[in-house]
Order: sequence, then structure tokens, then C-alpha cells
Amino acid sequence: KNEVEQSPQNLTAQEGEFITINCSYSVGISALHWLQQHPGGGIVSLFMLSSGKKKHGRLIATINIQEKHSSLHITASHPRDSAVYICAVSHMYSGGGADGLTFGKGTHLIIQP
Amino acid sequence: DAGITQSPRHKVTETGTPVTLRCHQTENHRYMYWYRQDPGHGLRLIHYSYGVKDTDKGEVSDGYSVSRSKTEDFLLTLESATSSQTSVYFCAISERQGPTRTQYFGPGTRLTVL
Repeated sequence: KNEVEQSPQNLTAQEGEFITINCSYSVGISALHWLQQHPGGGIVSLFMLSSGKKKHGRLIATINIQEKHSSLHITASHPRDSAVYICAVSHMYSGGGADGLTFGKGTHLIIQP
Repeated sequence: DAGITQSPRHKVTETGTPVTLRCHQTENHRYMYWYRQDPGHGLRLIHYSYGVKDTDKGEVSDGYSVSRSKTEDFLLTLESATSSQTSVYFCAISERQGPTRTQYFGPGTRLTVL
């Protein structure tokens, strides 16, 4: 069973700060996912990556397969970035190849104006 | 928007009653999943489906059953609800993008078992 650990659990920062959220996992994976969940809201997929780095707007996700570690960065943070950020890993289950996800417990991010 | 709806969105029921949650998709995706989200545990996989009538268990499947008789619908049933099944339930579908798949989540169903 893959263990997915996120840090920090909670993070409060000022608007404009550079934010880093870390994720580590214990066994090999097919891909790593970063998800965003606003309070009372649904879950949105931000990135899926299996190597290297991806960028979307002010968000950057990196992964180091050898070290089993990924980071999510937010540049020029804004109060609307306040949300729970969840790391998840996909791996092949037996019987059909469906990639069920194993999740970290999430990082609660608050960006203060 | 991957065209995923869940019903009901909120439900309060009593211990021992059967409950069925429905996930409906409009995109004809093969893979569908049920997760539950609980404070301190995060999201956990209950069951998943890789085609009509093809389902398998996830990490926390005890007390739950699923059925998929049509591509677009994936039903989660609690045969006899217990208070420990109070949770927020998310359905997800996956869409192939290369060798792995992005998952898209429904809006969630908040279930309270009294």
C-alpha cells in the first residue's frame, strides 16, 4: 500500500508570497496528481505528472521519481488561492487496469490580504 | 467540466436503512470511481468500475456494494447504513491522457447517518 505524506498540513501566508507544498510517497507510481478543493466545494484536478515539471499560470508542479517526491509551487499568491491542496498517486490495480488514486491528507492553505 | 452529476447531493438517514447514491456521466468514459472523504483520513477509494458490469473493491469497501448496468451510471449502495458511514462521497471518472489518466470529480454527496 502506498503511503502519501504531505507537508505542511496547514499554511498561512501573506498575499504575494511564494508558496511550496510538498508530497512524498513510498512506492513506485504511474503518475502523481495535484488537486484543489475550495471550502464546501468540489475537487478540481490541477496537474497530473509522471516526470519533470508542469506549469499552468501561477502554479508549478515538479516531481522527482528517484526521490519519490513532488512539490507544488504557487507564485505571487492571492487570497483566491486559499483552498485545500491534495496530492494523490495513481497505481495499477489488478483486474482491468483502473488507476484508483491514493491520497495525502491535504494541505490547508490560507492567503491573507 | 466532465459532465458528472451526483444524486442526491445531501441525505440524512437512520442507522440500519439502505441508501443508494447515484453517479451519472455524460461523456461515455469507461472508468468510474467512488471515494469517501473524512476529516483526518482524506479521500479513500471505496469501489471502482472499468466497464459495464465490471467492478472491483478499493481500500474501504466493507459495508458498500456497487453496480454498473449502463456506461453512464455507477451506483453505490449502503445495504444497512451505520454512523461510521457518515461522510462526503465523491464519484470520479477518468479520461485517458497518454499512459495514465486524469480523474474528474463530481460535486459530492453529503451523507449523514443518525
